[in-house]
Amino acid sequence: NAGVTQTPKFQVLKTGQSMTLQCAQDMNHEYMSWYRQDPGMGLRLIHYSVGAGITDQGEVPNGYNVSRSTTEDFPLRLLSAAPSQTSVYFCASSATGELFFGEGSRLTVL
Amino acid sequence: KNEVEQSPQNLTAQEGEFITINCSYSVGISALHWLQQHPGGGIVSLFMLSSGKKKHGRLIATINIQEKHSSLHITASHPRDSAVYICAFYRWGKFQFGAGTQVVVTP
Repeated sequence: NAGVTQTPKFQVLKTGQSMTLQCAQDMNHEYMSWYRQDPGMGLRLIHYSVGAGITDQGEVPNGYNVSRSTTEDFPLRLLSAAPSQTSVYFCASSATGELFFGEGSRLTVL
Repeated sequence: KNEVEQSPQNLTAQEGEFITINCSYSVGISALHWLQQHPGGGIVSLFMLSSGKKKHGRLIATINIQEKHSSLHITASHPRDSAVYICAFYRWGKFQFGAGTQVVVTP
């Protein structure tokens, strides 16, 4: 049982480049979410999904897109990276209130 | 509007000391989570509790749902307990997180 798997763990981008952070869970959880963690800011919700085909915006959605075509996968897309998107990103899934996080993806935008 | 507050923000203790971290929230919830994040590491769930007390090893979490307050205690603290501890709850489709308490335990 792998839990929540995030890739890549580290990524350096140039301003304007696009990329996708992958998130997969094998626990059949309906709820999945993406957060960014910045120093002194705590975890901030980017997008979330309550099931396949359903997504919604969180607190800081600008510059990010998501899709949920399957229960297992919830990728986060940066369409045109900006230095302000330098952060550590966490994917999480939940069922019956239990919360499981991926190991995080450290993204640097130059 | 911050519906969850943690205190203290930072805490330094000597090995063996008893540590308490507090979490207060301003809305009605059914359960509260305590999470742990080691430096440069991932986030793991320590407890989910809706009433009373839960214990896991040297960690004890308590909650008073009516008073909207929870505490996380670390007994006989050890340097490996050095981490950020975060409280969180689920409400209206989203998890809300406290800002975290940075704990440093020195030998």
